[in-house]
Amino acid sequence: GEDVEQSLFLSVREGDSSVINCTYTDSSSTYLYWYKQEPGAGLQLLTYIFSNMDMKQDQRLTVLLNKKDKHLSLRIADTQTGDSAIYFCISGTASKLTFGTGTRLQVTL
Amino acid sequence: DTEVTQTPKHLVMGMTNKKSLKCEQHMGHRAMYWYKQKAKKPPELMFVYSYEKLSINESVPSRFSPECPNSSLLNLHLHALQPEDSALYLCASVGQGEVGTDTQYFGPGTRLTVL
Repeated sequence: GEDVEQSLFLSVREGDSSVINCTYTDSSSTYLYWYKQEPGAGLQLLTYIFSNMDMKQDQRLTVLLNKKDKHLSLRIADTQTGDSAIYFCISGTASKLTFGTGTRLQVTL
Repeated sequence: DTEVTQTPKHLVMGMTNKKSLKCEQHMGHRAMYWYKQKAKKPPELMFVYSYEKLSINESVPSRFSPECPNSSLLNLHLHALQPEDSALYLCASVGQGEVGTDTQYFGPGTRLTVL
C-alpha cells in the first residue's frame, strides 16, 4: 500500500523557523496536505499543495514539493508556542487520505 | 460554516453497555467518515458513507455499527466493546470549502474509554 514517512519529533525555540519533512510513495496524489492536531483535539487543515506546484506560501507557512524525490516539507516561520502540536503529512485525494506518522513539534522558550 | 460537531466529547462505558457517538455537519457535504485514533498514532479509517450509503468498511468488528440517518448526520453505535477499543473517535466530512477544493474537515473527536 501507499506510505508516508515523517520524523517523529522536532524541537525548536520560539521565534526560530521549524521545518517538518515528509516522504511519500503515492505518485498519483492530486494534492498533498498538512494537518495540525493539538492535544486531545481533531485535525485542522493547515495548508495543501497541488501536485504540479513546487511551492506554496501562506502567511508563516511555506510548503515545498519535490515531486521527483517525492519529498514534501512544511516550514513555519517565527514559530510560536501555539504551534506546538502534531503535524500530519497526508497524500492521496480528499476521498482517501494516506496519513504520515505525524511529527510532534515542541516549541521551547 | 465549516464545522463538524461531535457528541459527546468524552464517553466512559463498560463492556456490556450500548452507547452511540454522533457526528453532524451542515456544509452540504455528501461523504462522511469515521476514524479511530490511538495515542501517538495517525487516524485509521473505519467507515465511509457516500450519499448516505455505506461505501467503505475497513473490516471493522461488528461491535461497531455505523448509521447515516440523513446527509447531515452520522452515528456510530457501540455494543460489547473491549478495553482495546478505547481511543479518540474522529468524524470527518468531505466537500469544497474555503480552500476551493475538496477537503476533509474533521470534528473534535469523542474520547472513548472502555472499562
